[in-house]
Amino acid sequence: NAGVTQTPKFQVLKTGQSMTLQCAQDMNHNSMYWYRQDPGMGLRLIYYSASEGTTDKGEVPNGYNVSRLNKREFSLRLESAAPSQTSVYFCASTTNRGLVYGYTFGSGTRLTVV
Amino acid sequence: DQQVKQNSPSLSVQEGRISILNCDYTNSMFDYFLWYKKYPAEGPTFLISISSIKDKNEDGRFTVFLNKSAKHLSLHIVPSQPGDSAVYFCAASGPGAQKLVFGQGTRLTINP
Repeated sequence: NAGVTQTPKFQVLKTGQSMTLQCAQDMNHNSMYWYRQDPGMGLRLIYYSASEGTTDKGEVPNGYNVSRLNKREFSLRLESAAPSQTSVYFCASTTNRGLVYGYTFGSGTRLTVV
Repeated sequence: DQQVKQNSPSLSVQEGRISILNCDYTNSMFDYFLWYKKYPAEGPTFLISISSIKDKNEDGRFTVFLNKSAKHLSLHIVPSQPGDSAVYFCAASGPGAQKLVFGQGTRLTINP
């Protein structure tokens, strides 16, 4: 099925560990995004990539890095995980005109940092 | 600074009645607004949108109203059904924007 695929779905990390969240889309979308969802905070943008080869910071980029590996894939890396990064992470993608049509979201990665 | 605000964390409505979810924004440059619906353990899915050149958009049981002077939009669901129980996010973007700004979400519960 076409869409946005995120891996893993669940992850538990110890404080200080690193990990990479993977995201891939097969809709030939140009723009890709990483959001985190926290209770009472809604969806907050971490990083985005408007097109292949470009990345920009969002609202809450501290503690994260991203890589737009190719048009399909956009990864999010936590270099040294902290309990404050416990959250549900969503990847999304859209076409260049996609804000008119909205994003397509993946099903999320639930990350717990202990 | 929260540019898009959903001030009601939760809303409970009886099946068959109207559900009204509200959203306020502060950025007068926003010109496109969207509503997303999210079930547990799933990603948000696009529901309905409206451009600032309109004040109303309908899609079946869902209608979005935009009041630009008040910087306020609302989503009406009529009649409400049990499957409408979910978290609803409003989102906004401005001219040339490459990203959406989301509100905090409202959890809607439809009671039988």
